[in-house]
Amino acid sequence: AQSVSQHNHHVILSEAASLELGCNYSYGGTVNLFWYVQYPGQHLQLLLKYFSGDPLVKGIKGFEAEFIKSKFSFNLRKPSVQWSDTAEYFCAVNAGTGRRALTFGSGTRLQVQP
Amino acid sequence: DGGITQSPKYLFRKEGQNVTLSCEQNLNHDAMYWYRQDPGQGLRLIYYSQIVNDFQKGDIAEGYSVSREKKESFPLTVTSAQKNPTAFYLCASSPRSGRTNTGELFFGEGSRLTVL
Repeated sequence: AQSVSQHNHHVILSEAASLELGCNYSYGGTVNLFWYVQYPGQHLQLLLKYFSGDPLVKGIKGFEAEFIKSKFSFNLRKPSVQWSDTAEYFCAVNAGTGRRALTFGSGTRLQVQP
Repeated sequence: DGGITQSPKYLFRKEGQNVTLSCEQNLNHDAMYWYRQDPGQGLRLIYYSQIVNDFQKGDIAEGYSVSREKKESFPLTVTSAQKNPTAFYLCASSPRSGRTNTGELFFGEGSRLTVL
């Protein structure tokens, strides 16, 4: 079965620091990859997605992620975080199996200090 | 506005009672999903439905039941058999189903169930 690992459970950064959140998945075939964000008190929303093509994907609010197939990774990055980026971030994968449902990682709570 | 509506937002129930969470979407999406969110565990799939009158178990279906009688609606019943029902429940939908389903999900605001 497919699985997703997010190794950073809680990250604390100061404003303007750079961010990289790790995401690794277990499926060896074709995958669709996603990062979702949950701001405090709000519903989950899509940050960015990768289906095919350029492995460097740009999303909303200055976030980007790089798909490295050889490492089964899809790490999320932002050069300079803001206090408003404080949220929980979830990596998710939809593997080329019959299930057609996303498998999520355990999430990373990001706290940005002003 | 198009979207996914979950109700109630907060729900309290006594042990041994069944409770049904509502999920309605007006996005004309084919596929619908129920996830459970617990602190430190991310989202876990309970049930999903790719088409009306059909649904499949997810990873943690025990103690839950669903129906999909209409395209717009996918209610979830948390039965008394669910051993640890206190959680945040998220409903989602996806515009396509089957082999064309990329998996991109649109989420509702969630229902928080507390068992007393």
